[in-house]
Amino acid sequence: QKEVEQDPGPLSVPEGAIVSLNCTYSNSAFQYFMWYRQYSRKGPELLMYTYSSGNKEDGRFTAQVDKSSKYISLFIRDSQPSDSATYLCAMSAAYSGAGSYQLTFGKGTKLSVIP
Amino acid sequence: DTEVTQTPKHLVMGMTNKKSLKCEQHMGHRAMYWYKQKAKKPPELMFVYSYEKLSINESVPSRFSPECPNSSLLNLHLHALQPEDSALYLCASSQDDGDRVRGYTFGSGTRLTVV
Repeated sequence: QKEVEQDPGPLSVPEGAIVSLNCTYSNSAFQYFMWYRQYSRKGPELLMYTYSSGNKEDGRFTAQVDKSSKYISLFIRDSQPSDSATYLCAMSAAYSGAGSYQLTFGKGTKLSVIP
Repeated sequence: DTEVTQTPKHLVMGMTNKKSLKCEQHMGHRAMYWYKQKAKKPPELMFVYSYEKLSINESVPSRFSPECPNSSLLNLHLHALQPEDSALYLCASSQDDGDRVRGYTFGSGTRLTVV
């Protein structure tokens, strides 16, 4: 079983739809959770990060973490064609104080928002 | 300045060439990373520098040689690469936040083609 599972899609939705993207994980040591957006041929861009169970909202984006179920989600409200990209979840164990930390990435879900 | 800048954006090199990829950040981040990303795959960790010292080398072949001249710069020296090394090479940095993991800031990447 991979540490992080993410459905690669592709996922195609009409403009204005609510999008739900999900990852599951098996490593109980993961404490920090991130979502990255990556446009074609570009580097990943950090959208949101959180470290506690519950919801975190930023504009049209909501990140949800359920540590008891080892399940995280990203919701996009009022989706726009400009949201068309690959969305990667990423996770990390607690910071060790060594100056760096490793992220474990999901495979990414390719999203297309159709006008 | 909240960017990680990578040069060049595109590079085509022969299998006998020597070239270098460059990465620069001025955010005061003390950890810098090299990742390799193949099409439709998540980023794969290659090297980690923490406080200018190599802390992780993920069993990367010796034809890839990292260098961290100072806290703002990271280089990846390439020599005698193979066609299968063609990929998007991503640089990232992260801050030492004391006790928090806030995710990496990625550059836009160098798209490398080995012919």
